[in-house]
Amino acid sequence: DIQMTQSPPVLSASVGDRVTLSCKASQNINKNLDWYQQKHGEAPKLLIYYTNNLQTGIPSRFSGSGSGTDYTLTISSLQPEDVATYYCYQYNSGYTFGAGTKLELK
Amino acid sequence: QVQLKESGPGLVQPSQTLSLTCTVSGLSLTSNSVSWIRQPPGKGLEWMGVIWSNGGTDYNSAIKSRLSISRDTSKSQVFLKMNSLQTEDTAMYFCARGEGGPPYWYFDFWGPGTMVTVSS
Repeated sequence: DIQMTQSPPVLSASVGDRVTLSCKASQNINKNLDWYQQKHGEAPKLLIYYTNNLQTGIPSRFSGSGSGTDYTLTISSLQPEDVATYYCYQYNSGYTFGAGTKLELK
Repeated sequence: QVQLKESGPGLVQPSQTLSLTCTVSGLSLTSNSVSWIRQPPGKGLEWMGVIWSNGGTDYNSAIKSRLSISRDTSKSQVFLKMNSLQTEDTAMYFCARGEGGPPYWYFDFWGPGTMVTVSS
């Protein structure tokens, strides 16, 4: 089974910061990766699909990139409403979520 | 608009069977897939399984022997059954629509979730 490792587990940043979250797969997943945002007490919400495609209605400050085993979610200018846990998800072989990165305000 | 809503017993005794229902609206189960995803308290997400638009199923290998997903297309309902429940199965259970043709695959609509506690 493919393992997904997200780093860091917790990230503290200030409003306006550029924030980068990492997701590493245990083998090549051919860009078959999505990113989800989950706020406390809510269902997850799709942000990015197939590595770098922004879901409809998601602010353009969110972007995704990567290839092979290494993928990144970037928030260009952190906003207070971005406080959440972010999960990557691969569907190249089986279906696996990463353990998440909890994003906090400094 | 597309909506999904989970329902279930809330509390299940250890070793018993869990039965959950996902009721969908705004979509046809014969044209859409639905996955079940769970989240233990304070922990991450785990994909459990999927029922495809053609009625076929795939399951997480870690729980495959205990899990069954089925549907009633006339009632727009998807069912999850998992047996031999243990305390570690305590979690919020979500159903979600899977969307996208190759190479895309994502969950764009989710239910609010239903909490299941395994306890005697």
